[in-house]
Amino acid sequence: TQLLEQSPQFLSIQEGENLTVYCNSSSVFSSLQWYRQEPGEGPVLLVTVVTGGEVKKLKRLTFQFGDARKDSSLHITAAQPGDTGLYLCAVLSGGSNYKLTFGKGTLLTVNP
Amino acid sequence: NAGVTQTPKFQVLKTGQSMTLQCAQDMNHEYMSWYRQDPGMGLRLIHYSVGAGITDQGEVPNGYNVSRSTTEDFPLRLLSAAPSQTSVYFCASSYSTAYEQYFGPGTRLTVT
Repeated sequence: TQLLEQSPQFLSIQEGENLTVYCNSSSVFSSLQWYRQEPGEGPVLLVTVVTGGEVKKLKRLTFQFGDARKDSSLHITAAQPGDTGLYLCAVLSGGSNYKLTFGKGTLLTVNP
Repeated sequence: NAGVTQTPKFQVLKTGQSMTLQCAQDMNHEYMSWYRQDPGMGLRLIHYSVGAGITDQGEVPNGYNVSRSTTEDFPLRLLSAAPSQTSVYFCASSYSTAYEQYFGPGTRLTVT
């Protein structure tokens, strides 16, 4: 059973559109991270959310941690081709501060 | 700062060969880790280290060895390469735990 379920798996949109991707679980987490991975590169941390209901904004990206701390969403406003990439959520797992578990990611393509 | 560096960027091995994937960081991070990324499987933790001389297994450790003799370096050894080890390998580091890691650019390994 996958600890983190990300949806959709693939998303292809036109420049200027808005979108939301999701990261869901049946487990409760103390915090959750979002990374973005561009083709041929390693993942880069975007944000860490730690409080249930927390909303964080990073320019056109809005991250929300669910009230019950079981899920998170990432909303992109007016998507641009530079937003293209694999969006990954990740949580500490197994009761350890040293093991990070990733979801399988949402592959976003923004067409000009 | 160079951040996290990995060598080589690409490698082709024959089944049964051994090799070492190099990883170095210049941020004085205590925590370092190795992941493999496969299509449809996401990023999976192979081994990690919480400091020089201390290593532990992750989710998929079989067929891989690690050691940490210095804070800066964390090499990953493939003892006898198998086609199932064809993957993209990422090294990452962070200050103290698995959270907020900095990733290297990856090594793309093909085993024939």
